[in-house]
Amino acid sequence: EAQVTQNPRYLITVTGKKLTVTCSQNMNHEYMSWYRQDPGLGLRQIYYSMNVEVTDKGDVPEGYKVSRKEKRNFPLILESPSPNQTSLYFCASSLQGAREKLFFGSGTQLSVL
Amino acid sequence: RKEVEQDPGPFNVPEGATVAFNCTYSNSASQSFFWYRQDCRKEPKLLMSVYSSGNEDGRFTAQLNRASQYISLLIRDSKLSDSATYLCVVTPTWDSNYQLIWGAGTKLIIKP
Repeated sequence: EAQVTQNPRYLITVTGKKLTVTCSQNMNHEYMSWYRQDPGLGLRQIYYSMNVEVTDKGDVPEGYKVSRKEKRNFPLILESPSPNQTSLYFCASSLQGAREKLFFGSGTQLSVL
Repeated sequence: RKEVEQDPGPFNVPEGATVAFNCTYSNSASQSFFWYRQDCRKEPKLLMSVYSSGNEDGRFTAQLNRASQYISLLIRDSKLSDSATYLCVVTPTWDSNYQLIWGAGTKLIIKP
């Protein structure tokens, strides 16, 4: 089944404790992206990747890191999480770019205490 | 002014009714437009792209008005399963293929 797999679904952590949210797609998509969604705001892009080893900042990259060492995986890393990073996170992918149909993971609800 | 604005709702609509909502965008250079649907706290899913000539997919009709910079979504014969939040999405510039601007969504509740 074609899908974007994102883990974990829920995560509660404390300030400063490094964490990684994994994202994997099995559709051979070139484009992958991370978003955060907060109440009353639209999805905001954190980072995106157009291909392996090619990543770039979105609108809200501060406090986040990503890597794209393999085409299928695009993990999101929070080196030192803070409470303002409490949010619902989504990973998405598409064949070649944002103008095409985006496939989303099921989301990660992160709470930083 | 937000780049993409939507009425947050909720729109409470009886089953079977027709409902329409708009989304305004601020950048006249935007070229690609989409409607995504999101069920509560779940992942967004593409409902339809919006083409310049307007397009229809079953009970759903999307239209683009470049002069007034808005897109619209019309749902006919609404079903209970149409209850969701509808997200308006546009590209920020004419050639952007890596970034999208998302509206905060319009919540629709279909009542029996």
